[in-house]
Amino acid sequence: GAVVSQHPSRVICKSGTSVKIECRSLDFQATTMFWYRQFPKQSLMLMATSNEGSKATYEQGVEKDKFLINHASLTLSTLTVTSAHPEDSSFYICSATPLDAGPYEQYFGPGTRLTVT
Amino acid sequence: LAKTTQPISMDSYEGQEVNITCSHNNIATNDYITWYQQFPSQGPRFIIQGYKTKVTNEVASLFIPADRKSSTLSLPRVSLSDTAVYYCLVISNFGNEKLTFGTGTRLTIIP
Repeated sequence: GAVVSQHPSRVICKSGTSVKIECRSLDFQATTMFWYRQFPKQSLMLMATSNEGSKATYEQGVEKDKFLINHASLTLSTLTVTSAHPEDSSFYICSATPLDAGPYEQYFGPGTRLTVT
Repeated sequence: LAKTTQPISMDSYEGQEVNITCSHNNIATNDYITWYQQFPSQGPRFIIQGYKTKVTNEVASLFIPADRKSSTLSLPRVSLSDTAVYYCLVISNFGNEKLTFGTGTRLTIIP
């Protein structure tokens, strides 16, 4: 089956530093990847749509200069949280869609837990 | 995107059949009904998808009435490991569509 990995699985950083999270499709190519954020006891909130070779599309209310997304290849998208603050502490999840995807074929990564101290 | 409504939480005993109903009154002709399962600190996992009538796989069954304005996820003989949040989504027949997750149903299985 299609597998999506994320690295790191958890990270702790100090306030003001930047953190990069990688999302990889391990056995398929994905032109589109999505980034979600999930706070405790809440649902997933879509942050942005990442398209290979082009700029990401951000959802309303998500600061594109704070959450930098790069989708440089068909198997890798990165999310960089710049100048992180404690309120950015959350669970970040990516998903990827194969090139010849059917209606439901979005595969989710295991998530990255970010804690900003 | 069609909005979905489902119960916030449910409890059930081990060995019981659990039915979780989802309302999607504004579902469009091209929309499929899809259910995901999420364990704590993990990404969502696809469970089942259907368009109409009944779909069954090794994990669950999905019942969809003729008007498609609701659907019911049925989990047979649940165990403690089925404790999770279950999300109902309606998705058009394009694989790269962005997904909008509702509140989900937090299912707790009681020993």
